[in-house]
Amino acid sequence: EIVLTQSPATLSLSPGERATLSCRASQSVSSYLAWYQQKPGQAPRLLIYDASNRATGIPARFSGSGSGTDFTLTISSLEPEDFAVYYCQQRSNWLFGQGTKLEIK
Amino acid sequence: QVQLVQSGAEVKKPGASVKVSCKASGYTFTSYYMHWVRQAPGQGLEWMGIINPSGGSTSYAQKLQGRVTMTRDTSTSTVYMELSSLRSEDTAVYYCAREAMIEAFDIWGQGTMVTVSS
Repeated sequence: EIVLTQSPATLSLSPGERATLSCRASQSVSSYLAWYQQKPGQAPRLLIYDASNRATGIPARFSGSGSGTDFTLTISSLEPEDFAVYYCQQRSNWLFGQGTKLEIK
Repeated sequence: QVQLVQSGAEVKKPGASVKVSCKASGYTFTSYYMHWVRQAPGQGLEWMGIINPSGGSTSYAQKLQGRVTMTRDTSTSTVYMELSSLRSEDTAVYYCAREAMIEAFDIWGQGTMVTVSS
């Protein structure tokens, strides 16, 4: 089965900084990768699908890139509400990565 | 508006079963697959399985095979997830999530906390 590995596990940054989160697949998933944001006590929210397409209502500061086995979620300038946990997911077997916690420095 | 509303929290003893419901509204129920995802306290997201509300076909995560059953009722636009032989490791928040045409989970239920404790 395809396994997704996210890095880093925790990322400490300040508002206004740029965040770069990584997701690596154990084998190629083409561009079939999604990113989700989850805040404490809330359900996950879809941010990006097919590696680089923003979901409805997602701000332009969120962008996704990559194909094959290496993917990146970039937040260009962090807002206070962006501090959360981020998960990647591939649709071959619907498994998620283990998550990256983005925390305030 | 499009939404998924789940049933309330449950407390169960080890060995028992639990059945969680997820009622869909605001869209054509039979046009979108539904998934179940769970999250143990402080842990990540675990995919459990998928149901096609149109025909009722299902596919489950291998680790849950034999213990999980997903069904649907088209008359009430509701999907159900039943987990049997509960153990403490099944303590988690259980979510239903709609698979959009873009093949990602665009709508999520609010989550149902299931606690397994003696």
